[in-house]
Amino acid sequence: DTAVSQTPKYLVTQMGNDKSIKCEQNLGHDTMYWYKQDSKKFLKIMFSYNNKELIINETVPNRFSPKSPDKAHLNLHINSLELGDSAVYFCASSQVSGWETQYFGPGTRLLVL
Amino acid sequence: GDSVTQMEGPVTLSEEAFLTINCTYTATGYPSLFWYVQYPGEGLQLLLKATKADDKGSNKGFEATYRKETTSFHLEKGSVQVSDSAVYFCALSDPLAFGTGTRLTIIP
Repeated sequence: DTAVSQTPKYLVTQMGNDKSIKCEQNLGHDTMYWYKQDSKKFLKIMFSYNNKELIINETVPNRFSPKSPDKAHLNLHINSLELGDSAVYFCASSQVSGWETQYFGPGTRLLVL
Repeated sequence: GDSVTQMEGPVTLSEEAFLTINCTYTATGYPSLFWYVQYPGEGLQLLLKATKADDKGSNKGFEATYRKETTSFHLEKGSVQVSDSAVYFCALSDPLAFGTGTRLTIIP
């Protein structure tokens, strides 16, 4: 069974559209994260949730909104997509916030046209 | 400023060569340090970690020692293989931060 899964794996969409990426972990972890990786492989944390509560909210446009319906799920909704949003988005989880090993999902490759 | 400064790539080596990828960090307190590896088309996975000063993390022939005096966590491997070709990330637990990644290519 996949520990951290993301859907969809690929997402191609037009500028201005709204899209969501879903993430689920079956590891029983308390903390989940969203990262953005650009074409140069730079990895930037966007958000972190611990037990459904937002604990890290880096400087990202407010078009990005995370939602955690329960501690096993952390979804990312993006409004009014822009060309610069094209990237690979990774979900991750860890037992506790930051200090423990993070387990990453396979990534969602978003291309905005 | 950057919390994690990582050696820029790309790095290209011949098989069986010695590898060092430098990583230094800036942090107060006593963070945990990690090396993650990302194989093509995949997510990151933990390679090794160290949780306190002088700890040595090791896995798959890779090693890194937590050096508080030099604030470093350099990744080393004595004899690399083609299968080690990947992007390597140094990471810090507090503040939570990743290095810029170093792309490693091993030539047969």
